[in-house]
Amino acid sequence: QKEVEQNSGPLSVPEGAIASLNCTYSDRGSQSFFWYRQYSGKSPELIMFIYSNGDKEDGRFTAQLNKASQYVSLLIRDSQPSDSATYLCAVISSGSARQLTFGSGTQLTVLP
Amino acid sequence: NAGVTQTPKFQVLKTGQSMTLQCAQDMNHNSMYWYRQDPGMGLRLIYYSASEGTTDKGEVPNGYNVSRLNKREFSLRLESAAPSQTSVYFCASSAFRDRGSGELFFGEGSRLTVL
Repeated sequence: QKEVEQNSGPLSVPEGAIASLNCTYSDRGSQSFFWYRQYSGKSPELIMFIYSNGDKEDGRFTAQLNKASQYVSLLIRDSQPSDSATYLCAVISSGSARQLTFGSGTQLTVLP
Repeated sequence: NAGVTQTPKFQVLKTGQSMTLQCAQDMNHNSMYWYRQDPGMGLRLIYYSASEGTTDKGEVPNGYNVSRLNKREFSLRLESAAPSQTSVYFCASSAFRDRGSGELFFGEGSRLTVL
């Protein structure tokens, strides 16, 4: 079982819709959770992080964490074509020398 | 602001050849990392350096060596390249040393093909 799992997609949503990206992790002791965005041919960039159960909002982005169920999600409201990218979930697990472990990413396409 | 700079951006090698990927950061970060990214596999950590003078293996270290030359520079060496090392390599840095950090700053990537 992979430590961090994401649906690879592709996920397509119409412009203006809510895009929902999900991620599950295996290490119950994980403490820190991150979402990176990676445009095609570019390097990843951090867009959100969350440490506590519940929701964290930043503009059109909301990260949700449920430690009991071991999942973290990213919601993108009012999706724009410029949001089309691969979204990588990353976790600092208790047993990985406190280094980031990445999921394989979900490819999102926002259709005009 | 340069951030994290990697060279070369593209390289083609023949099986058995050696090469070094160079990485430098100008953000005064303590920690530096080398990842590889393959289709469908996400980013996998090869080696990291939590601080100047230390290096540690990550998830996929076999076939690679690293050198933390100083606080700014962290190089990755392939001693005898194999086709399985065809990948995109990313160098990254972060500010935190002791408690780990998820905020990584990435270079532009180096696309390596081994024939």
